Amino acid sequence: EIVLTQSPGTLSLSPGERATLSCRASQSVSSSYLAWYQQKPGQAPRLLIYGASSRATGIPDRFSGSGSGTDFTLTISRLEPEDFAVYYCQQYGSSPPPGTFGQGTKVEIK
Amino acid sequence: EVQLVESGGGLVQPGGSLRLSCAASGFTFSSYEMNWVRQAPGKGLEWVSYISSSGSTIYYADSVKGRFTISRDNAKNSLYLQMNSLRAEDTAVYYCARTKILVPGLFDYWGQGTLVTVSS
Repeated sequence: EIVLTQSPGTLSLSPGERATLSCRASQSVSSSYLAWYQQKPGQAPRLLIYGASSRATGIPDRFSGSGSGTDFTLTISRLEPEDFAVYYCQQYGSSPPPGTFGQGTKVEIK
Repeated sequence: EVQLVESGGGLVQPGGSLRLSCAASGFTFSSYEMNWVRQAPGKGLEWVSYISSSGSTIYYADSVKGRFTISRDNAKNSLYLQMNSLRAEDTAVYYCARTKILVPGLFDYWGQGTLVTVSS
């Protein structure tokens, strides 16, 4: 089972700043089957990025994903007030059970 | 617009049972694989169960195997989770989540969740 480790645990930034979130896998993620989800308090997770770098439907272009193998990054180019949330990475692509989620990175207002 | 609406959560005693439902709309439900994913209070996301579009293939996380049963009724556009022998550690918000077409394990839409609390 691939273990995903996200860092940092909490990121304190101001609106307008750039956010860089990391997700490291314990072994190589095949075909870059790595996704990112956003979860705001009291809300369901929302798919942001899949295939390591493809934005899901309706996701603004300030969100971008990159990486391959074992190291992946989610970048938010300029933080908007609505971007302060918890972000989870997930490895997928195999038959169930689906890949596990990382433990999450909280992006909070500084 | 894709919508997934869960219901059926509540407070139940340890050892008790509960049945969750998820009503789907805005897409051809019978064409999609579906899942239940849960989140314990203040914790991360944990996949619970999967069902294929026809209902013929089912999987469970080890933590719920033998106690939970997933099912679906494509005529009613509904997904279900029968939870028996509930434990305190099953306390969580339960989300139904749709698998993106042709992408195993990727969840492209989620419901708002229903809270299950197991406590005496």
